[in-house]
Amino acid sequence: AQKVTQAQTEISVVEKEDVTLDCVYETRDTTYYLFWYKQPPSGELVFLIRRNSFDEQNEISGRYSWNFQKSTSSFNFTITASQVVDSAVYFCALSGGGRQGAQKLVFGQGTRLTINP
Amino acid sequence: DSGVTQTPKHLITATGQRVTLRCSPRSGDLSVYWYQQSLDQGLQFLIQYYNGEERAKGNILERFSAQQFPDLHSELNLSSLELGDSALYFCASSAYGRPTPLTQYFGPGTRLTVL
Repeated sequence: AQKVTQAQTEISVVEKEDVTLDCVYETRDTTYYLFWYKQPPSGELVFLIRRNSFDEQNEISGRYSWNFQKSTSSFNFTITASQVVDSAVYFCALSGGGRQGAQKLVFGQGTRLTINP
Repeated sequence: DSGVTQTPKHLITATGQRVTLRCSPRSGDLSVYWYQQSLDQGLQFLIQYYNGEERAKGNILERFSAQQFPDLHSELNLSSLELGDSALYFCASSAYGRPTPLTQYFGPGTRLTVL
């Protein structure tokens, strides 16, 4: 069975601090896909990034960066120079390969991030 | 804006009632997914449809059913509602990919309150 663990339930930092959100996953699939979604106070789920299991290259997008480490089954998300607008609940999710029935997303419990001015 | 639309945005009803949630996927997407977000269960997959056919089922109660119509919109029907069914229901869509699944984009959700 697939499982995603986000051990940090809540994080609170002051604006401009860097913050890292942890994500650890479990799967028996050799090919799988990892995602991060953001849920701002308005409630919608916003896609941030997708990473394939065979691509361990880290990615940076502006103030956001992602560190994928297959050896530790982790896919951590770092926000540099955080801003108040980054306040949201962040979800890490896992999906299997393209076989039928495997495309569902398995979500972690989410990390509520609060950026204080 | 993800391009996925859901109606209604809010729904308040009583126990024992039946409701229908509606979802229109992004233009061109053939696959639709339904998820439930509740405080105690978190975000859970309910069911997936591809081009009108059911493809995968998750933790969906027998009181719940869904379908996808020829125009690709989908409806989630919830019947004999209980207090515990109060939750945020999301629809997501993707272009079905094999072997590589494609990213799911989520609608704004329907908040269901059962009184």
